[in-house]
Amino acid sequence: DAKTTQPPSMDCAEGRAANLPCNHSTISGNEYVYWYRQIHSQGPQYIIHGLKNNETNEMASLIITEDRKSSTLILPHATLRDTAVYYCIVRVVDDKIIFGKGTRLHILP
Amino acid sequence: KAGVTQTPRYLIKTRGQQVTLSCSPISGHRSVSWYQQTPGQGLQFLFEYFSETQRNKGNFPGRFSGRQFSNSRSEMNVSTLELGDSALYLCASSSSTSGGLQETQYFGPGTRLLVL
Repeated sequence: DAKTTQPPSMDCAEGRAANLPCNHSTISGNEYVYWYRQIHSQGPQYIIHGLKNNETNEMASLIITEDRKSSTLILPHATLRDTAVYYCIVRVVDDKIIFGKGTRLHILP
Repeated sequence: KAGVTQTPRYLIKTRGQQVTLSCSPISGHRSVSWYQQTPGQGLQFLFEYFSETQRNKGNFPGRFSGRQFSNSRSEMNVSTLELGDSALYLCASSSSTSGGLQETQYFGPGTRLLVL
């Protein structure tokens, strides 16, 4: 079973920041938080990952709470192409990825 | 670098047949994982291969099998196809080693299998 809980869907206005929450209250000390997204019928695309520090790359920022029980993926300036299902995953090194149901993000024009 | 490639992209089979899907990982990647995605069950892990050995396995029946070649290319086989095997089959590769370093998995576009 997936170890994460995400809202099933969210809306965000184009050009605004999209903040996608994820709860992972049972995360272990050696588990990383990963985010992937899947645009309709394509393979999942890696976005970002982190252990306990906040991370930023060209696609997004990842904010992990100090107790590591939740995190937020931030897409700073959402565009219509960001419409996708976003998966938050926790996993240990070299372990399989267990996907939950994810959050379906709708970007509104 | 070229991404993960999967062939064929689309496939139609009938019940009882068998099918073989192919995955070529990103150059230099030695770990290959397979996933099944259906509308009802979502994305489910099938198995992972590293250096020609199966390292992790999901909860699928023995009809689902795989292998990895010395060049890291991988195939998965489904025998005695059932209607419920209709799905998008995704392959992912990573530069994961057995040394405990965390590495990101990169997914291919998938093979869409339809069983009639």
